[in-house]
Amino acid sequence: AQSVTQLGSHVSVSEGALVLLRCNYSSSVPPYLFWYVQYPNQGLQLLLKYTTGATLVKGINGFEAEFKKSETSFHLTKPSAHMSDAAEYFCALNNAGNMLTFGGGTRLMVKP
Amino acid sequence: EADIYQTPRYLVIGTGKKITLECSQTMGHDKMYWYQQDPGMELHLIHYSYGVNSTEKGDLSSESTVSRIRTEHFPLTLESARPSHTSQYLCASSPLGYEQYFGPGTRLTVT
Repeated sequence: AQSVTQLGSHVSVSEGALVLLRCNYSSSVPPYLFWYVQYPNQGLQLLLKYTTGATLVKGINGFEAEFKKSETSFHLTKPSAHMSDAAEYFCALNNAGNMLTFGGGTRLMVKP
Repeated sequence: EADIYQTPRYLVIGTGKKITLECSQTMGHDKMYWYQQDPGMELHLIHYSYGVNSTEKGDLSSESTVSRIRTEHFPLTLESARPSHTSQYLCASSPLGYEQYFGPGTRLTVT
């Protein structure tokens, strides 16, 4: 069975500071991994995805994530937080089926 | 990125009413999904479809039903709405079953 764990249901950073949202996974086969962002009263928007190949993937809005097989992690980072980054972030996994397994979500708050 | 539409965006309705939440996508994706999400909480899969005339129940038991008569259309129906159905409902589609593309959601309130 596969699972996704997001460490920290709430993360608070100052504007301009590094953003680091943690995601660890468990999967019996090489996974496809995704990060989504959700703004209030909106659906989920795909930020970035890892399927195969380069382990550092770049997404929209300046975010990137690195797939580390040895650590079973797929942490999301952004060098400098902006107020508009405040949202809920979901890490998700697909282990070659047709379903996504989601983490519980991390709410990112950005202080001025 | 998929164009996926949900209507209505917001719905307030009384107990016992029948409601249908609409979901349409214009990308020709075979796979479509319905999720239920309470505010600030995780997503729960309630229904999915792999193509026309294919529907399955998801992980979360739901009193809703779905149909898939056309590739682009995947409506969700509640025969008799109850306050416990108050939630946000998200529709998604997928071209190959890997990443999913989400609509804007319908926020349902049953009074």
